[in-house]
Amino acid sequence: EPEVTQTPSHQVTQMGQEVILRCVPISNHLYFYWYRQILGQKVEFLVSFYNNEISEKSEIFDDQFSVERPDGSNFTLKIRSTKLEDSAMYFCASSERGISYNSPLHFGNGTRLTVT
Amino acid sequence: AQTVTQSQPEMSVQEAETVTLSCTYDTSESDYYLFWYKQPPSRQMILVIRQEAYKQQNATENRFSVNFQKAAKSFSLKISDSQLGDAAMYFCAYRSARGTYKYIFGTGTRLKVLA
Repeated sequence: EPEVTQTPSHQVTQMGQEVILRCVPISNHLYFYWYRQILGQKVEFLVSFYNNEISEKSEIFDDQFSVERPDGSNFTLKIRSTKLEDSAMYFCASSERGISYNSPLHFGNGTRLTVT
Repeated sequence: AQTVTQSQPEMSVQEAETVTLSCTYDTSESDYYLFWYKQPPSRQMILVIRQEAYKQQNATENRFSVNFQKAAKSFSLKISDSQLGDAAMYFCAYRSARGTYKYIFGTGTRLKVLA
């Protein structure tokens, strides 16, 4: 069964550094998402992406965050200047269809980001 | 704003027994979808079961079934004949049927299966 893959599985970075988290969504999916889960807390929506643009973002997704689909397969999340509170598990997800259809999310294994 | 509440941080069940995980949600909408996701220790979240709010019939997937009570805004998950592989964190999630891509998750229930 096709899977969403994320790299790296664990990223350690120093506060203020830029970090890029990478994801390869399922190939026939058109909608892409980033969620994050701070340890012990809820899984939170960050952003959705369709047709090479952001379709929706949360209040968490401020100017420090950006997403990109640089080629036909990768989907990336960039944090420009990391803060301690950015430490979390970041999940990429994809879905075949969007809001008008009951299309479940398929998640990757996550990238654990640790900001020191 | 919509919210999802899972009031049981942790549950235990004996192997082969049945367990029910609770989920309540708050919304003013009438059209939405509800999901249960399972997150095993390997971390990848996997869809267990889903329910469309306009359907009165409760969804069933093999040993997993839901009790959807729309008026009470309750969406519990029943796992029958529990297996060791069912041990995981279970998340209840809500998504509006219109106007948003966002899923709203509960805080999760950790299920332990005892041999």
